[in-house]
Amino acid sequence: EVQLVESGGGLVQPGRSLRLSCAASGFSFDDFAMHWVRQVPGKGLEWVSGISWNSGNIAYADSVKGRFTISRDNAKNSLYLQMNSLRPEDTALYYCVKDFQGGSHFSWFDPWGQGTLVTVSS
Amino acid sequence: EVVLTQSPGTLSLSPGERATLSCRASQSISGSYLTWYQQKPGQAPRLLIYGASSRATGIPDRFSGSGSGTDFTLTISRLEPEDFAVYYCQQYGSSSYTFGQGTKLEIK
Repeated sequence: EVQLVESGGGLVQPGRSLRLSCAASGFSFDDFAMHWVRQVPGKGLEWVSGISWNSGNIAYADSVKGRFTISRDNAKNSLYLQMNSLRPEDTALYYCVKDFQGGSHFSWFDPWGQGTLVTVSS
Repeated sequence: EVVLTQSPGTLSLSPGERATLSCRASQSISGSYLTWYQQKPGQAPRLLIYGASSRATGIPDRFSGSGSGTDFTLTISRLEPEDFAVYYCQQYGSSSYTFGQGTKLEIK
């Protein structure tokens, strides 16, 4: 069974940094692209960033470009999101998501982790 | 950026009825990357339909997707109590994803 467990969320002041982690198990992690998607509680979904299996293809939403960095460690079956210069509008539940198809290309998302909550507030 | 507009915002129906949810794109998109997700309260989204019309593993055949170009539809043929949830469409193109704002399917 595929499991994605996020961690690292919490309360942080505007302008500070936070690093999210996602521990993956139950599949060949180094065969699949991975993504981060966020959701303000009670609101809709926003894709944040994606990374291919070998980190050769990385993409970001315009809203986080230049502030967030996605990375992965295939030896540790882990995905990361380094979030710098955080803003109140970054407050959301952050989901770790597995890409459906293997390889370098992005496709659709399945499955999703349960999320870790990030709150940016002074 | 492709904007996806879902309608209606809220759909009130009874179990056993047919639900038709719409997703309209601001420009023509590839149906290969039009996806539908279901989200229940307190849960993460779940993949329902990918490639506009292919059901994900374990999804009942009462769920079906259709459409092309700018207009896509998710149909639930006969609503079961567990189908009442929020549904999102999503598209991928030009190294970016966008989601629709969601349709809440509620019990009438």
